[in-house]
Amino acid sequence: RKEVEQDPGPFNVPEGATVAFNCTYSNSASQSFFWYRQDCRKEPKLLMSVYSSGNEDGRFTAQLNRASQYISLLIRDSKLSDSATYLCVVRCLDTGGFKTIFGAGTRLFVKA
Amino acid sequence: DGGITQSPKYLFRKEGQNVTLSCEQNLNHDAMYWYRQDPGQGLRLIYYSQIVNDFQKGDIAEGYSVSREKKESFPLTVTSAQKNPTAFYLCASSPGGTGGYEQYFGPGTRLTVT
Repeated sequence: RKEVEQDPGPFNVPEGATVAFNCTYSNSASQSFFWYRQDCRKEPKLLMSVYSSGNEDGRFTAQLNRASQYISLLIRDSKLSDSATYLCVVRCLDTGGFKTIFGAGTRLFVKA
Repeated sequence: DGGITQSPKYLFRKEGQNVTLSCEQNLNHDAMYWYRQDPGQGLRLIYYSQIVNDFQKGDIAEGYSVSREKKESFPLTVTSAQKNPTAFYLCASSPGGTGGYEQYFGPGTRLTVT
């Protein structure tokens, strides 16, 4: 089982739609969680950190469910510019110390 | 402007040659990282450094070497021992400690070895 798993997609949605991605992690000692966005042939960029109480940034809402070991990202009122790959990132305690694990990403296409 | 720079953006080399990729940051971050990304795949950690003059192997360190002589700089050498060097190489840095653990990436170097 992968340490961080994401549905690769692609998710194809019309402009204005609401779309949600989930990401599961296997290490119960995970402590920090992030969502990144990566455009085609570009570097990943931090979208938002994920806090235990959940957090919102404009049209984006991130939530953490420690009991079920997953995080989610909700995008409301999708824009064409939201088309990208969304990476789930988890920082966890391993035998050698802390490590950061990147999921393989979920591709989103928003169409006019 | 604060940020992370990587150079060059595109690099072409012949098989059997070593090549060094540059990574510089002026964010005053303690930790720096090198990742490799292959088409359609996630990031894989090559090496990381949490402090000057110290670095550790990541998951795929074979065929690579690094140095961390200055806080701002973390160059990666792709040696001829690396069997499949063609990839997109990403450098990242993070504040570490109470500064937070989110990583910030440079624009990447696309290496093609023929």
